[in-house]
Amino acid sequence: DTEVTQTPKHLVMGMTNKKSLKCEQHMGHRAMYWYKQKAKKPPELMFVYSYEKLSINESVPSRFSPECPNSSLLNLHLHALQPEDSALYLCASSQVRDSNYGYTFGSGTRLTVV
Amino acid sequence: AQSVTQLDSHVSVSEGTPVLLRCNYSSSYSPSLFWYVQHPNKGLQLLLKYTSAATLVKGINGFEAEFKKSETSFHLTKPSAHMSDAAEYFCVVRVNTGGFKTIFGAGTRLFVKA
Repeated sequence: DTEVTQTPKHLVMGMTNKKSLKCEQHMGHRAMYWYKQKAKKPPELMFVYSYEKLSINESVPSRFSPECPNSSLLNLHLHALQPEDSALYLCASSQVRDSNYGYTFGSGTRLTVV
Repeated sequence: AQSVTQLDSHVSVSEGTPVLLRCNYSSSYSPSLFWYVQHPNKGLQLLLKYTSAATLVKGINGFEAEFKKSETSFHLTKPSAHMSDAAEYFCVVRVNTGGFKTIFGAGTRLFVKA
């Protein structure tokens, strides 16, 4: 299995809702990442988990809460989001953090906050 | 400062003609370099990578790139464009800043005309 699977593919949520994004990989990778991508822009790093421990938090607002329950799963919990948080959220994994072999990306979750 | 610059925000070619997407980097140490492709509303897919072995790197879908240290460049080429190559392309550099860091270029949108 050489894929990163993200669910759901699309999500529409109100500003008072709580929702979660899910990411799963079975390649034995020990680093997992959340990126946010706005239209016509490169991905922006949000969080990095290395060996299931939070390694990097790029000053992301607390309304985004990551979780890594095990080495194959990565969640992003969302609460009280703003319309400007609407974006494509990408999960990625790599053998180790900032691997020389590159990253494997999921197809993303298209989030719309209304 | 460590950085990566994609010299063109948009490139337009006719089907069957060569593709050239330009990327320059700035790094104090020998970097690792990657090209990723992103089709609309999809995740990023690794096309190829340079990790200090052969300077001419071949990737998937007929793409290749040449690492030129003297020019600090890593341009992506393909001899003959196909309609399916229309996408966003990101040049990415992995640098050593006292710990490794992965930096994305701003992206180049490739248009392919019939």
